[in-house]
Amino acid sequence: DTGVSQNPRHKITKRGQNVTFRCDPISEHNRLYWYRQTLGQGPEFLTYFQNEAQLEKSRLLSDRFSAERPKGSFSTLEIQRTEQGDSAMYLCASSPWTEPHDLHFGNGTRLTVT
Amino acid sequence: DAKTTQPTSMDCAEGRAANLPCNHSTISGNEYVYWYRQIHSQGPQYIIHGLKNNETNEMASLIITEDRKSSTLILPHATLRDTAVYYCIVRPPGNTDKLIFGTGTRLQVFP
Repeated sequence: DTGVSQNPRHKITKRGQNVTFRCDPISEHNRLYWYRQTLGQGPEFLTYFQNEAQLEKSRLLSDRFSAERPKGSFSTLEIQRTEQGDSAMYLCASSPWTEPHDLHFGNGTRLTVT
Repeated sequence: DAKTTQPTSMDCAEGRAANLPCNHSTISGNEYVYWYRQIHSQGPQYIIHGLKNNETNEMASLIITEDRKSSTLILPHATLRDTAVYYCIVRPPGNTDKLIFGTGTRLQVFP
């Protein structure tokens, strides 16, 4: 299966610690998106990349959050000094150049901050 | 951004058609309507999209009213595996390609 892969699936961390998540998109997809989802809510847009360029960042993405896609392939999302409010599912999606709105999502990384 | 309104939840008997409504009264002329669904513990999955005309694919049909102020997603023969949250999304204008999700409709298909 060559779908979007996210690691780890689950992460439990203590408040104040830094965490990093990885997303491996579908190989021929040039666009990559990060979303966050809390219980009972739809996914909230965080940021997206076209190749290695980060083209948009949501206001939700505070300065404790940083995302990279250094070679236009995989991406990482880092959260520094985690807070309990950061507990959520972090979803990654990718889409091809020809169909930019056909987002293919991974199954997410569930973060729990204790 | 054009806003969508969907019922919070719906039920459907297995084998029957599931008709999921969506209101998007402020939609602009160049905005598409997209439908995604999210099965428990999975990421959202693309279903279908359309602009003006009705659309059909192997998963569902999309009926858009002539004034484009509302649409209906139809699952012709619902199965238990169609139990999911269904999101109706209107693509925002401009060059941004992100999709803005609402809270969706939780569809429960029962035996």
